[in-house]
Amino acid sequence: DAKTTQPNSMESNEEEPVHLPCNHSTISGTDYIHWYRQLPSQGPEYVIHGLTSNVNNRMASLAIAEDRKSSTLILHRATLRDAAVYYCILRPNYNQGGKLIFGQGTELSVKP
Amino acid sequence: DAGVIQSPRHEVTEMGQEVTLRCKPISGHNSLFWYRQTMMRGLELLIYFNNNVPIDDSGMPEDRFSAKMPNASFSTLKIQPSEPRDSAVYFCASSQRLAGAYEQYFGPGTRLTVT
Repeated sequence: DAKTTQPNSMESNEEEPVHLPCNHSTISGTDYIHWYRQLPSQGPEYVIHGLTSNVNNRMASLAIAEDRKSSTLILHRATLRDAAVYYCILRPNYNQGGKLIFGQGTELSVKP
Repeated sequence: DAGVIQSPRHEVTEMGQEVTLRCKPISGHNSLFWYRQTMMRGLELLIYFNNNVPIDDSGMPEDRFSAKMPNASFSTLKIQPSEPRDSAVYFCASSQRLAGAYEQYFGPGTRLTVT
């Protein structure tokens, strides 16, 4: 399975935008890019996913580079509740079971 | 919907004892996943089922671990005998197989401590 690289940690101020980067230089043409986050003492939760085009939902935006070798999760206004570990995951399209392989993720801290 | 339900939430047991973790997936979901999370190894997929059938159990650490899904609304993960290195948080997740989706919904986890 293709691998992703994320910074170990990032800091943000409350109510400011946050850009969480992910590199996936070995991505194949049919790999979906998924983002999950894990709040303290909780199970992971789905944030967003995309294939080629940028995506928006109520939680975040996903910006995908034109060559698809990197992507950025954008939280438009960070809140204290957004402090979590954010995981960038590639899911092959052939993976009909929906299997996800989690890396170490980026630990985001938000300062008031 | 109540979400994915796991029980117990906490389990403390002695080495050598049998441990059974339980999971009820979201109604209508046809894929179920068992994960384990530790500080050292992060979040690892142990096994997953599609339509109650085990598809990939390559993440199961050894024969002491077994998982079953007798019907669409229930799954168990059993460790027999348990060892201190099995101490971890075990998560169950479920998803519905739709084209391009596969959003997984995680339960709150079971924190297992083996002394």
